Amino acid sequence: DAMVIQNPRYQVTQFGKPVTLSCSQTLNHNVMYWYQQKSSQAPKLLFHYYDKDFNNEADTPDNFQSRRPNTSFCFLDIRSPGLGDAAMYLCATSRVSLNEKLFFGSGTQLSVL
Amino acid sequence: KQEVTQIPAALSVPEGENLVLNCSFTDSAIYNLQWFRQDPGKGLTSLLLIQSSQREQTSGRLNASLDKSSGRSTLYIAASQPGDSATYLCAVRRGIYNQGGKLIFGQGTELSVKP
Repeated sequence: DAMVIQNPRYQVTQFGKPVTLSCSQTLNHNVMYWYQQKSSQAPKLLFHYYDKDFNNEADTPDNFQSRRPNTSFCFLDIRSPGLGDAAMYLCATSRVSLNEKLFFGSGTQLSVL
Repeated sequence: KQEVTQIPAALSVPEGENLVLNCSFTDSAIYNLQWFRQDPGKGLTSLLLIQSSQREQTSGRLNASLDKSSGRSTLYIAASQPGDSATYLCAVRRGIYNQGGKLIFGQGTELSVKP
């Protein structure tokens, strides 16, 4: 059974049209992450939540926002998508512990037309 | 600043071969290292996690080793199969979450196992 679920699997949006990607988890993990991965590149951390505490990476554009209404759900909002924002967006979770293994969802492939 | 490098970027082998994927990191002060598999257009699946105090971890045909002092890890795949074809990424963590524990990824090695 999928433990980190991302919807939709594929998302097409228009240049400048706001879009929201969603992530849910059944693991009850306290940390949730959003990564951006462009073709043949390493995943790049955008931001993460430790419970309700939001932590933004210094180089994440203001165009990217996130919400975590409860433990299970986390959303990535792109306010005005540009062509350069087309990428795979990966959600991951972990529990703060000695090993802190990350569990990833299947990703949302975003296209910007 | 921690940098993670994986060489080669792509590797093609015939079925049945044993193979080694390499990962190197510049800062040996790591907390753990994790190997992931990524199928085309999919998310990442965790394969093995090695704590900084450990030398290796094994799961089935996979064996991951860690040499912190030299900044290297290897992923050994025995008796490779076409189903092993995927991109393999390594990632290092400096500490637990509340001690700067961000994962730093390498760019991956794209493995192709030919029948």
